[in-house]
Amino acid sequence: ETGVTQTPRHLVMGMTNKKSLKCEQHLGHNAMYWYKQSAKKPLELMFVYSLEERVENNSVPSRFSPECPNSSHLFLHLHTLQPEDSALYLCASSQDATGTTYEQYFGPGTRLTVT
Amino acid sequence: KNQVEQSPQSLIILEGKNCTLQCNYTVSPFSNLRWYKQDTGRGPVSLTIMTFSENTKSNGRYTATLDADTKQSSLHITASQLSDSASYICVVRPMLMFSGGYNKLIFGAGTRLAVHP
Repeated sequence: ETGVTQTPRHLVMGMTNKKSLKCEQHLGHNAMYWYKQSAKKPLELMFVYSLEERVENNSVPSRFSPECPNSSHLFLHLHTLQPEDSALYLCASSQDATGTTYEQYFGPGTRLTVT
Repeated sequence: KNQVEQSPQSLIILEGKNCTLQCNYTVSPFSNLRWYKQDTGRGPVSLTIMTFSENTKSNGRYTATLDADTKQSSLHITASQLSDSASYICVVRPMLMFSGGYNKLIFGAGTRLAVHP
Protein backbone atom coordinates (compact mmCIF):
# COMPACT_ATOMS: atom_id res chain seq x y z
CA GLU A 1 0.00 0.00 0.00
CA THR A 2 1.65 3.23 -1.17
CA GLY A 3 -0.86 5.69 0.28
CA VAL A 4 -2.31 6.50 -3.15
CA THR A 5 -5.64 4.95 -4.08
CA GLN A 6 -7.40 4.90 -7.43
CA THR A 7 -10.95 4.05 -8.41
CA PRO A 8 -12.22 2.28 -10.34
CA ARG A 9 -9.53 -0.34 -10.88
CA HIS A 10 -11.07 -1.45 -14.15
CA LEU A 11 -13.28 0.49 -16.56
CA VAL A 12 -14.82 -0.45 -19.88
CA MET A 13 -16.49 2.36 -21.78
CA GLY A 14 -17.86 3.05 -25.21
CA MET A 15 -16.56 5.88 -27.34
CA THR A 16 -19.63 8.02 -26.61
CA ASN A 17 -19.58 7.56 -22.83
CA LYS A 18 -18.45 10.01 -20.18
CA LYS A 19 -16.65 8.66 -17.15
CA SER A 20 -14.26 9.87 -14.46
CA LEU A 21 -11.22 8.38 -12.80
CA LYS A 22 -10.54 9.25 -9.18
CA CYS A 23 -7.28 9.41 -7.28
CA GLU A 24 -6.76 10.11 -3.59
CA GLN A 25 -3.48 10.42 -1.70
CA HIS A 26 -3.17 10.08 2.08
CA LEU A 27 0.46 11.23 2.29
CA GLY A 28 0.09 14.97 2.77
CA HIS A 29 1.79 15.65 -0.54
CA ASN A 30 1.44 18.86 -2.53
CA ALA A 31 1.90 17.53 -6.07
CA MET A 32 -0.20 15.02 -8.01
CA TYR A 33 0.24 13.52 -11.46
CA TRP A 34 -1.62 11.58 -14.14
CA TYR A 35 0.32 9.15 -16.33
CA LYS A 36 -0.71 6.91 -19.20
CA GLN A 37 0.98 3.50 -19.48
CA SER A 38 0.59 1.57 -22.72
CA ALA A 39 2.04 -1.89 -23.30
CA LYS A 40 5.78 -1.92 -23.96
CA LYS A 41 5.97 1.89 -23.90
CA PRO A 42 7.41 4.25 -21.30
CA LEU A 43 5.05 6.00 -18.95
CA GLU A 44 3.67 9.15 -20.55
CA LEU A 45 3.14 12.15 -18.31
CA MET A 46 -0.26 13.73 -18.89
CA PHE A 47 -0.82 16.35 -16.20
CA VAL A 48 0.93 17.75 -13.14
CA TYR A 49 -0.76 19.65 -10.34
CA SER A 50 1.13 21.53 -7.64
CA LEU A 51 -0.91 22.95 -4.76
CA GLU A 52 -4.05 22.41 -6.85
CA GLU A 53 -2.67 24.43 -9.75
CA ARG A 54 -1.94 22.77 -13.06
CA VAL A 55 1.76 23.23 -13.86
CA GLU A 56 2.11 20.83 -16.78
CA ASN A 57 -0.21 19.85 -19.58
CA ASN A 58 1.75 17.54 -21.80
CA SER A 59 -0.09 18.09 -25.10
CA VAL A 60 -2.96 15.86 -24.02
CA PRO A 61 -6.11 15.76 -26.20
CA SER A 62 -9.03 17.73 -24.83
CA ARG A 63 -11.09 14.55 -24.43
CA PHE A 64 -9.07 14.14 -21.21
CA SER A 65 -9.95 16.79 -18.64
CA PRO A 66 -8.22 16.87 -15.24
CA GLU A 67 -9.59 18.35 -12.05
CA CYS A 68 -7.83 18.91 -8.74
CA PRO A 69 -10.31 20.22 -6.15
CA ASN A 70 -7.79 19.97 -3.29
CA SER A 71 -4.29 18.67 -2.69
CA SER A 72 -5.54 15.19 -1.76
CA HIS A 73 -7.82 14.48 -4.71
CA LEU A 74 -7.30 14.32 -8.44
CA PHE A 75 -9.80 13.42 -11.13
CA LEU A 76 -9.50 12.62 -14.81
CA HIS A 77 -12.72 13.21 -16.72
CA LEU A 78 -13.07 11.21 -19.92
CA HIS A 79 -15.37 11.81 -22.88
CA THR A 80 -15.58 10.65 -26.50
CA LEU A 81 -12.48 8.51 -26.14
CA GLN A 82 -10.85 6.52 -28.92
CA PRO A 83 -9.82 2.84 -28.84
CA GLU A 84 -6.15 3.91 -28.76
CA ASP A 85 -6.83 5.53 -25.39
CA SER A 86 -7.11 2.06 -23.87
CA ALA A 87 -4.27 1.82 -21.34
CA LEU A 88 -3.39 1.75 -17.66
CA TYR A 89 -3.85 5.21 -16.13
CA LEU A 90 -1.63 5.81 -13.14
CA CYS A 91 -1.92 8.52 -10.55
CA ALA A 92 1.08 9.57 -8.48
CA SER A 93 1.89 12.07 -5.78
CA SER A 94 5.08 13.61 -4.37
CA GLN A 95 6.04 16.06 -1.66
CA ASP A 96 6.18 18.77 -4.28
CA ALA A 97 6.68 19.06 -8.02
CA THR A 98 10.14 20.62 -8.09
CA GLY A 99 12.16 18.83 -5.41
CA THR A 100 14.79 16.82 -7.24
CA THR A 101 14.90 13.88 -4.84
CA TYR A 102 11.26 13.64 -3.93
CA GLU A 103 9.94 10.21 -4.80
CA GLN A 104 6.71 9.86 -6.71
CA TYR A 105 4.35 7.40 -5.08
CA PHE A 106 2.08 5.62 -7.53
CA GLY A 107 -1.41 4.30 -7.15
CA PRO A 108 -2.40 0.86 -8.50
CA GLY A 109 -3.84 2.32 -11.68
CA THR A 110 -7.12 2.13 -13.57
CA ARG A 111 -7.16 -0.32 -16.47
CA LEU A 112 -9.25 1.45 -19.12
CA THR A 113 -10.69 -0.31 -22.16
CA VAL A 114 -12.45 1.74 -24.83
CA THR A 115 -14.76 -0.27 -27.08
CA LYS B 1 16.44 14.29 -27.26
CA ASN B 2 16.47 12.91 -23.72
CA GLN B 3 15.97 9.17 -23.81
CA VAL B 4 16.20 6.14 -21.57
CA GLU B 5 16.69 2.73 -23.21
CA GLN B 6 16.40 -0.55 -21.29
CA SER B 7 17.50 -4.03 -22.17
CA PRO B 8 16.54 -6.74 -22.44
CA GLN B 9 12.87 -6.10 -23.11
CA SER B 10 12.03 -9.33 -21.31
CA LEU B 11 13.91 -11.99 -19.41
CA ILE B 12 13.15 -15.43 -17.99
CA ILE B 13 15.33 -16.92 -15.26
CA LEU B 14 15.11 -19.81 -12.83
CA GLU B 15 14.48 -19.22 -9.16
CA GLY B 16 17.70 -18.76 -7.22
CA LYS B 17 19.68 -17.43 -10.18
CA ASN B 18 21.13 -13.93 -10.50
CA CYS B 19 20.37 -11.48 -13.29
CA THR B 20 21.35 -8.02 -14.46
CA LEU B 21 19.14 -5.49 -16.18
CA GLN B 22 20.59 -2.64 -18.22
CA CYS B 23 19.66 1.02 -18.63
CA ASN B 24 21.33 3.43 -21.06
CA TYR B 25 20.38 7.07 -21.04
CA THR B 26 21.18 10.23 -22.97
CA VAL B 27 19.76 12.65 -20.38
CA SER B 28 22.38 15.27 -19.57
CA PRO B 29 22.85 16.84 -17.19
CA PHE B 30 20.83 14.71 -14.84
CA SER B 31 19.92 14.99 -11.20
CA ASN B 32 19.25 11.39 -10.23
CA LEU B 33 18.36 7.95 -11.53
CA ARG B 34 15.82 5.60 -9.97
CA TRP B 35 14.90 2.00 -10.49
CA TYR B 36 11.25 1.13 -9.97
CA LYS B 37 9.62 -2.28 -9.62
CA GLN B 38 6.12 -2.68 -11.00
CA ASP B 39 4.18 -5.80 -10.10
CA THR B 40 1.36 -6.86 -12.41
CA GLY B 41 -1.74 -4.82 -11.65
CA ARG B 42 0.13 -2.44 -9.36
CA GLY B 43 1.81 0.91 -9.67
CA PRO B 44 5.63 1.28 -9.74
CA VAL B 45 7.46 1.27 -6.42
CA SER B 46 10.92 2.81 -6.01
CA LEU B 47 13.79 0.38 -5.31
CA THR B 48 16.86 2.63 -5.42
CA ILE B 49 17.85 6.20 -6.17
CA MET B 50 21.32 7.40 -7.15
CA THR B 51 22.61 10.89 -7.80
CA PHE B 52 25.18 11.53 -10.51
CA SER B 53 27.99 11.27 -7.93
CA GLU B 54 27.04 7.82 -6.65
CA ASN B 55 28.30 4.55 -8.14
CA THR B 56 26.22 1.95 -6.36
CA LYS B 57 23.17 1.59 -4.14
CA SER B 58 21.75 -1.55 -2.58
CA ASN B 59 18.32 -2.48 -1.32
CA GLY B 60 18.36 -6.03 -0.03
CA ARG B 61 18.95 -8.39 -2.96
CA TYR B 62 18.78 -5.48 -5.42
CA THR B 63 21.97 -3.59 -6.27
CA ALA B 64 22.01 -0.69 -8.71
CA THR B 65 25.17 0.68 -10.28
CA LEU B 66 25.74 3.89 -12.16
CA ASP B 67 28.48 4.95 -14.56
CA ALA B 68 27.87 8.62 -15.31
CA ASP B 69 30.74 8.72 -17.82
CA THR B 70 29.23 6.07 -20.08
CA LYS B 71 25.66 6.99 -19.10
CA GLN B 72 24.81 3.46 -18.08
CA SER B 73 23.09 1.95 -15.08
CA SER B 74 22.39 -1.63 -14.17
CA LEU B 75 20.18 -3.40 -11.67
CA HIS B 76 21.52 -6.67 -10.33
CA ILE B 77 19.17 -9.10 -8.64
CA THR B 78 20.78 -11.75 -6.47
CA ALA B 79 19.28 -15.14 -5.63
CA SER B 80 16.04 -14.41 -7.45
CA GLN B 81 12.68 -15.30 -5.94
CA LEU B 82 9.30 -15.88 -7.56
CA SER B 83 8.17 -12.56 -6.11
CA ASP B 84 10.80 -10.79 -8.22
CA SER B 85 8.62 -11.44 -11.28
CA ALA B 86 7.70 -7.91 -12.34
CA SER B 87 8.62 -5.07 -14.68
CA TYR B 88 11.66 -3.03 -13.73
CA ILE B 89 11.69 0.56 -14.89
CA CYS B 90 14.68 2.90 -15.09
CA VAL B 91 13.78 6.56 -14.57
CA VAL B 92 16.06 9.58 -14.98
CA ARG B 93 15.34 13.05 -13.64
CA PRO B 94 17.03 15.80 -15.66
CA MET B 95 18.83 18.56 -13.84
CA LEU B 96 16.50 21.52 -13.33
CA MET B 97 18.09 24.39 -15.22
CA PHE B 98 16.01 27.19 -13.70
CA SER B 99 14.22 27.65 -10.42
CA GLY B 100 10.48 27.30 -10.07
CA GLY B 101 10.06 25.05 -13.07
CA TYR B 102 8.97 21.44 -13.39
CA ASN B 103 11.38 18.97 -14.98
CA LYS B 104 9.55 15.85 -15.91
CA LEU B 105 10.96 12.38 -15.34
CA ILE B 106 12.24 10.42 -18.33
CA PHE B 107 11.03 6.81 -18.17
CA GLY B 108 12.40 3.73 -19.84
CA ALA B 109 9.98 1.18 -21.30
CA GLY B 110 10.96 -1.36 -18.66
CA THR B 111 12.29 -4.92 -18.57
CA ARG B 112 9.73 -7.62 -17.85
CA LEU B 113 11.32 -10.28 -15.63
CA ALA B 114 9.75 -13.71 -15.12
CA VAL B 115 11.23 -15.97 -12.43
CA HIS B 116 10.27 -19.62 -12.89
CA PRO B 117 10.47 -22.34 -10.21
